[in-house]
Amino acid sequence: NAGVTQTPKFQVLKTGQSMTLQCAQDMNHNSMYWYRQDPGMGLRLIYYSASEGTTDKGEVPNGYNVSRLNKREFSLRLESAAPSQTSVYFCASSGRGSAYEAFFGQGTRLTVV
Amino acid sequence: GNSVTQMEGPVTLSEEAFLTINCTYTATGYPSLFWYVQYPGEGLQLLLKATKADDKGSNKGFEATYRKETTSFHLEKGSVQVSDSAVYFCAPSNTPLVFGKGTRLSVIA
Repeated sequence: NAGVTQTPKFQVLKTGQSMTLQCAQDMNHNSMYWYRQDPGMGLRLIYYSASEGTTDKGEVPNGYNVSRLNKREFSLRLESAAPSQTSVYFCASSGRGSAYEAFFGQGTRLTVV
Repeated sequence: GNSVTQMEGPVTLSEEAFLTINCTYTATGYPSLFWYVQYPGEGLQLLLKATKADDKGSNKGFEATYRKETTSFHLEKGSVQVSDSAVYFCAPSNTPLVFGKGTRLSVIA
């Protein structure tokens, strides 16, 4: 099983460029998440989707948009990249119910210059 | 929603030392509790979990007991190895799932 697959693994953008980070899971999970991880800041939630067709803002949504394309896929878009968005981005998914763990992708290391 | 307070690191230990990483939670209802581990260059992965009060989760020599009376879920390991060097995150089941800053553990030979 692939689990949670993120693409790309690495990306360098110029300030003002746009890009979309892709995430797909093959575990039939209802919930999907996007996080960013910065040194000393832990994981901060950007957006999440509790079920297909719904999306909600997390702690740090500004500068990002998301699309829950179908149950498998949840993409994160940066419309106009800024250096402050330099970070490692993680996608995760989990099943419904309190006993279900979250599964994470390997991360996307994004640098905005 | 549910939340946790986790001791911040970094924690540096010698190989074979005893490890405790404290985690306390606040919750409405009865969430499951998880410890995740993040090895360098990787995403988080589940280390262990407990789904109800007094449950003990265990994996790879790590243990944590769901203590309702003290609202705690402390992570312990009797003898750490260099390969345990990682960042550890405590989290309650939640929607949405949020994490704290984690605790960085470095084990030196």
